[in-house]
Amino acid sequence: GAGVSQSPSNKVTEKGKDVELRCDPISGHTALYWYRQSLGQGLEFLIYFQGNSAPDKSGLPSDRFSAERTGGSVSTLTIQRTQQEDSAVYLCASSLRLYEQYFGPGTRLTVT
Amino acid sequence: GDSVTQMEGPVTLSEEAFLTINCTYTATGYPSLFWYVQYPGEGLQLLLKATKADDKGSNKGFEATYRKETTSFHLEKGSVQVSDSAVYFCALSDPFNAGGTSYGKLTFGQGTILTVHP
Repeated sequence: GAGVSQSPSNKVTEKGKDVELRCDPISGHTALYWYRQSLGQGLEFLIYFQGNSAPDKSGLPSDRFSAERTGGSVSTLTIQRTQQEDSAVYLCASSLRLYEQYFGPGTRLTVT
Repeated sequence: GDSVTQMEGPVTLSEEAFLTINCTYTATGYPSLFWYVQYPGEGLQLLLKATKADDKGSNKGFEATYRKETTSFHLEKGSVQVSDSAVYFCALSDPFNAGGTSYGKLTFGQGTILTVHP
């Protein structure tokens, strides 16, 4: 079946612009996670959704970052007023069973 | 807080050599442990996992044993192939990070680049 998909695959934006990153999880997966992979910080957890609610947002680095999930499916990660340090690969993962996360290919964000 | 430390890479081996990638962890609770692999141009994939002490996870010829006494989860393979060239990440999920209820949030090590030559 289809895996986790993310769009766009690449995004180049100017500093100060807002961006939206999309994640389509595997159908039926109730849990959804966002992570960030950057050269300086490695792989970091950002936020976790169970259904449409986000019990853990502790990894969001600042209030410029927000995320939502609708219909227990698609999730959008929004970064407002992007900064150069936001440049990274943003990964989405979904799971149905604990400890079996399936990752998408990621969105590479470059802030110029 | 929780953390995972992996041996620094890159690691370069010849085909059929023995592989060890060291991983140690610090956790508040009793974590589950994982190895993920990222092949060139592909997304992260779960390679193997272990959820309690002395468990051995295995997949595709790779093995790792959960050692609580040494807080380690070293990855091993007896004979590597060129196709094993990838980045390997050790990770943990600690239920104490979520008020005692685990929901699978992962804390990753920095990753180890493995290159296998023919």
